[in-house]
Amino acid sequence: EADIYQTPRYLVIGTGKKITLECSQTMGHDKMYWYQQDPGMELHLIHYSYGVNSTEKGDLSSESTVSRIRTEHFPLTLESARPSHTSQYLCASRGFYAGNEQFFGPGTRLTVL
Amino acid sequence: SQQGEEDPQALSIQEGENATMNCSYKTSINNLQWYRQNSGRGLVHLILIRSNEREKHSGRLRVTLDTSKKSSSLLITASRAADTASYFCATDEGGGSNYKLTFGKGTLLTVNP
Repeated sequence: EADIYQTPRYLVIGTGKKITLECSQTMGHDKMYWYQQDPGMELHLIHYSYGVNSTEKGDLSSESTVSRIRTEHFPLTLESARPSHTSQYLCASRGFYAGNEQFFGPGTRLTVL
Repeated sequence: SQQGEEDPQALSIQEGENATMNCSYKTSINNLQWYRQNSGRGLVHLILIRSNEREKHSGRLRVTLDTSKKSSSLLITASRAADTASYFCATDEGGGSNYKLTFGKGTLLTVNP
């Protein structure tokens, strides 16, 4: 069982609200990632970080933002949620060496009404 | 852009049968990884095969890699109903400062009791 946690697991919220999805890992991994995945579909990388104070946008453009102030914590924020943001958001982390596996959190299923 | 493409998109078999899924990719890789995702959950790492390896086994899993054809296959032997899940291949291009995995679209495997 991977030591990577996401909260909340499910979130239903109205349009225009600001939300933060939490992701924490206790493995000391330097690399962390956020993916967006619609049901039954592929994963799209939206943000990643290779260490504290390092964040980059992924392959899929996203209106969300991320921060990496502590190694173990990689929250994702949406300033103004819209129905188009409805999706599952998966957080992952990876260890120090290239070629290591990625560990995934259980995901947050977001529904914006 | 998607690197790995799984084939078939969906596969339905009876318990006890073998399941084979294929993955094709486009660029040179450092390694290729297979992940499993149960419905609505995060991904779980199954097996990693490096670019200089041709075959790898783990329990009922057998992975092959053909770098000349840029393809990999995942074989699950003696399948069980609990193997029902989506399976994704992910390519790791490695090198330099690139630590991102690129995931395929996945194969949905259904194992009927």
